[in-house]
This record gives sequence, structure tokens and C-alpha cells, in this order.
Amino acid sequence: QVYLVESGGGLVKPGGSLRLSCAASGFIFSDHYMSWLRQVPGKGLEWLSFISGRDNTIYYADSVRGRFTISRDNSKNSLYLQMDSLRAEDTAVYYCAREGSAWPHYDLWGQGTLVTVSS
Amino acid sequence: DIQMTQSPSSLSASVGDRVTITCRASQSISNFLNWYQQKPGKAPNLLIYGASRLQTGVPSRFSGSGSGTEFTLTISSLQPDDFTTYFCQQSYNTPWTFGQGTKVDI
Repeated sequence: QVYLVESGGGLVKPGGSLRLSCAASGFIFSDHYMSWLRQVPGKGLEWLSFISGRDNTIYYADSVRGRFTISRDNSKNSLYLQMDSLRAEDTAVYYCAREGSAWPHYDLWGQGTLVTVSS
Repeated sequence: DIQMTQSPSSLSASVGDRVTITCRASQSISNFLNWYQQKPGKAPNLLIYGASRLQTGVPSRFSGSGSGTEFTLTISSLQPDDFTTYFCQQSYNTPWTFGQGTKVDI
């Protein structure tokens, strides 16, 4: 079965840190770019970062560059997002997503994990 | 950054209606345009990629067209399961950006 499962969300105080994980199953994980995206409930989608399958090519959105770090462990079929210096505006549902092999699009998504930044 | 603007933001329709949603890019993105459907409390689901290519398993009543800066998603005959929200996304330049969404309700 092909799926992604996020974990690690929760309530954190402003300035705090959180590490999200995304476990992949049912496909060759290292064949795919992987991304993190987020969505404020009831609002639009925001792409945050992606990482290539094998050579660690990484891009970040300006809104998280310098605060968030994406990484992956292909031996564990896992993707990570280390989030530091969290702000109230980082409150959102965070999704990991797989990019298609032959075209830049998201053909597989996790169920999402809610991150709430509040004192 | 490339801005993506969807119209309308919401629309009301009936089962069996033909529905068209438009997505405009602030600069040319060739055909690097994807469409997603999102139901409440769920992750987005890919419908169309490369502007017009139907994702495997998506019903043929969904179609996409366009290139450059203007794109459309068409649902040929609206079904009860289709009353939800749709997003476009450009994958031409980072940062990938999304439209604000179009909610289709009864």
C-alpha cells in the first residue's frame, strides 16, 4: 500500500521548536523529490520546502528559510522538517507530499499534522 | 514569486451542471499547471497535471486546458462528490505557488 504518514505536530510556545516526521511506504522513496507544505485551516496552501531524492538538493520558501530545515533518511523511508524559532503565524496543518517522477506535481499526500504555536 | 489567481472564489451549481474554473498566472508558466481537489479535513488530491493530463484514477468528467498564463479546469457534469474546493498550482518556478481556491457548492 502506498502512503505517507506525518507525525510530530502539537502545541508549542512562540520561539520554540518542533520536529515533524513523514514515514513513506509502498514505493521507492529515494526515487522522488519530497516536499513539506502547510495550510492554515480554511485557507490556501503554501509550499515550504523540497528535497531531492538522492543528492540533497534543497529549496526553501522565504517565509521559513533560516528557521526550518528539511532532511530525509532514505534508509528509513522518512522525511523530516525541523522547525525552530516558531511564530504564531506558523500555526497550520503541515503536509508532506511526494513529487511525481516525470513531472513536478504532488501525486501523493500525507493526512497532515496540526502545529499550533501559542503561549 | 509567481502569483496564481483563481476565479471565481466560489460558485453555486447543481448536479449535472458544466462548471469551469479559471486560473491565471502573473507570468507565463508554459504548461506547468496542476489542479487539485480538496475535501474538508482531507489532504489535496491531484486531478490534472501539466495543464491537461488527467491523473490516473480521476474520472473523465474532469479536464484541463490552457498554456502560458491562462488555464481552466472543467467538470463536464457535476456529481454530488464534486461539491468541494479546487486549487491550481504552478510548478514552473520555485517557490511553487497555489491559487487561493474555488469552492463549489450546491
